[in-house]
Amino acid sequence: DIQMTQSPSSLSASVGDRVTITCRASQGISNYLAWYQQKPGKVPKLLIYAASTLQSGVPSRFSGSGSGTDFTLTISSLQPEDVATYYCQKYNSALGTFGPGTKVDIK
Amino acid sequence: QVQLQESGPGLVKPSQTLSLTCTVSGGSISSGSYYWSWIRQPAGKGLEWIGRIYTSGSTNYNPSLKSRVTISVDTSKNQFSLKLSSVTAADTAVYYCARAEGPYDSSGYLDYWGQGTLVTVSS
Repeated sequence: DIQMTQSPSSLSASVGDRVTITCRASQGISNYLAWYQQKPGKVPKLLIYAASTLQSGVPSRFSGSGSGTDFTLTISSLQPEDVATYYCQKYNSALGTFGPGTKVDIK
Repeated sequence: QVQLQESGPGLVKPSQTLSLTCTVSGGSISSGSYYWSWIRQPAGKGLEWIGRIYTSGSTNYNPSLKSRVTISVDTSKNQFSLKLSSVTAADTAVYYCARAEGPYDSSGYLDYWGQGTLVTVSS
């Protein structure tokens, strides 16, 4: 089975900072990669699919890139409402594995 | 706007079967090429993909749970269901149902989620 890892596991940044989260697959998954945001006590929300396609209604400060095994989620200018845990998920096969998550908070 | 709502017992005894239903509103569960999925999250931990069903009845499960999981669909009620047998305390989690989109034979990405329901396994 393909394993998903994320780094860092947590980060603290200032408002306005550029934040980058990395997701790595143990084998190539083309661009079948989604990113989710889960705010404390809330339901996960789809941010990005197909590695770089922004879901409707998601602010443009979020962007995704990558293909194969290495992917990134970037927040161009961190806002207080972006405090959340971010998960990647592969969907190249019938098994939809999530990464372990990256917790983002404000410094 | 598609909406999903989980329902079922919040407390299940060890060794028994956990049963949850997800009711879909705002669209027919049979329309479009969607996968209807279950995900769970133990308190303070990450997301675990459980499995999904296509409206044809085709299913795929997480190998770690495969021997205990059954997902079924009732198109007449616009619902799909999860059964997890022989539960233990390790199965205590918030259980989410969700709609997935994606290529044929993939798990899909999850674009609509239910609010989640906490299931506690305890005697």
